[in-house]
Amino acid sequence: GAGVSQSPSNKVTEKGKDVELRCDPISGHTALYWYRQSLGQGLEFLIYFQGNSAPDKSGLPSDRFSAERTGGSVSTLTIQRTQQEDSAVYLCASSVVQETQYFGPGTRLLVL
Amino acid sequence: GIQVEQSPPDLILQEGANSTLRCNFSDSVNNLQWFHQNPWGQLINLFYIPSGTKQNGRLSATTVATERYSLLYISSSQTTDSGVYFCAVERPDYKLSFGAGTTVTVRA
Repeated sequence: GAGVSQSPSNKVTEKGKDVELRCDPISGHTALYWYRQSLGQGLEFLIYFQGNSAPDKSGLPSDRFSAERTGGSVSTLTIQRTQQEDSAVYLCASSVVQETQYFGPGTRLLVL
Repeated sequence: GIQVEQSPPDLILQEGANSTLRCNFSDSVNNLQWFHQNPWGQLINLFYIPSGTKQNGRLSATTVATERYSLLYISSSQTTDSGVYFCAVERPDYKLSFGAGTTVTVRA
């Protein structure tokens, strides 16, 4: 496709369950980013992948959060043992390094 | 970390009016982007503007990197311009730091 795609669009889960969020970046973009948008917290960086380098995980809020990027393309963000404070919109972006970051539509996560 | 401040936080416009949104940042950055978040939450790229001035239709932006600010101009506003406008600066480690946004409401 022409843009960044994310799935699912919406996810409702119960506290304590694990969730997986998927991101398909724009073809040819070597950089992939995950951000989170929470009410009252704004947009915050979570994790950054660049090519085959080790990811920059400095923004992950806890060890319940992890992400991987397979084959330098698709990425999955996993949240284990979800908590209510994890409720947010999770946004993925991709880019050519030092160029415009293009964002996907986001996954709206609600933890009950 | 880099601080990004946007002003005003809220802006109400009558259709046809012009406006200016401001973004101040606290340190040197690789570049700066302006986004419009539509009512469905999608972040739409408006400008990639590390310095200088760019125009796209009724929108234009100016970044003065040496003075650490950027301005977004909306001319002849339309109701479809409503939404939240975010400024984001790219740090030396390539991550974006976002401002809190300006919520624009354009009334018919």
